Amino acid sequence: DSGVTQTPKHLITATGQRVTLRCSPRSGDLSVYWYQQSLDQGLQFLIHYYNGEERAKGNILERFSAQQFPDLHSELNLSSLELGDSALYFCASSEQGNHEQYFGPGTRLTVT
Amino acid sequence: AQTVTQSQPEMSVQEAETVTLSCTYDTSESDYYLFWYKQPPSRQMILVIRQEAYKQQNATENRFSVNFQKAAKSFSLKISDSQLGDAAMYFCAYRRYNNNDMRFGAGTRLTVKP
Repeated sequence: DSGVTQTPKHLITATGQRVTLRCSPRSGDLSVYWYQQSLDQGLQFLIHYYNGEERAKGNILERFSAQQFPDLHSELNLSSLELGDSALYFCASSEQGNHEQYFGPGTRLTVT
Repeated sequence: AQTVTQSQPEMSVQEAETVTLSCTYDTSESDYYLFWYKQPPSRQMILVIRQEAYKQQNATENRFSVNFQKAAKSFSLKISDSQLGDAAMYFCAYRRYNNNDMRFGAGTRLTVKP
């Protein structure tokens, strides 16, 4: 158990819909990262937040957005969903100045 | 842009034997970090080992060790005394020194035969 929690574990929704994925980082970690893993592929970095501020963006679609709240939990919002958005979405967290990222169990999103 | 390449989509090893997974990366940076993550069927991403580019000594964690060749931009993972529980996808990852964004390779699926 990494200490990073993600909800929900599974999500099934239809094309065109909007969903919100939630992540709670490890206690004390200020950084949260979101990754997307499509079927049998590596992880693609989406976005990084540090203490409530966006720090870096990767290959994140304009239909996707994220935020980190004062209690440090983060939400990833996916809108106008397409079949190709079906994937495993991971959240990871790290301490300030630490190099390792600790991953949550992921949310499996299925768009039908 | 930094890229990470894992040229072996699949590898297999006999239980108790040794296997080496390959990873190469492309960067113009001199300071960076390299990681190997394990993803078992549960899909949980588990950190196996990390290497700081400024360190010449290869990192070791129990049965896991790396061969870091900075000039060649190569970062292979050696698993000794392979166990059935080592069966998983293994991902190589790169991170720049002042940047927390990690770039992952496509992964190598390791099968351990009893």
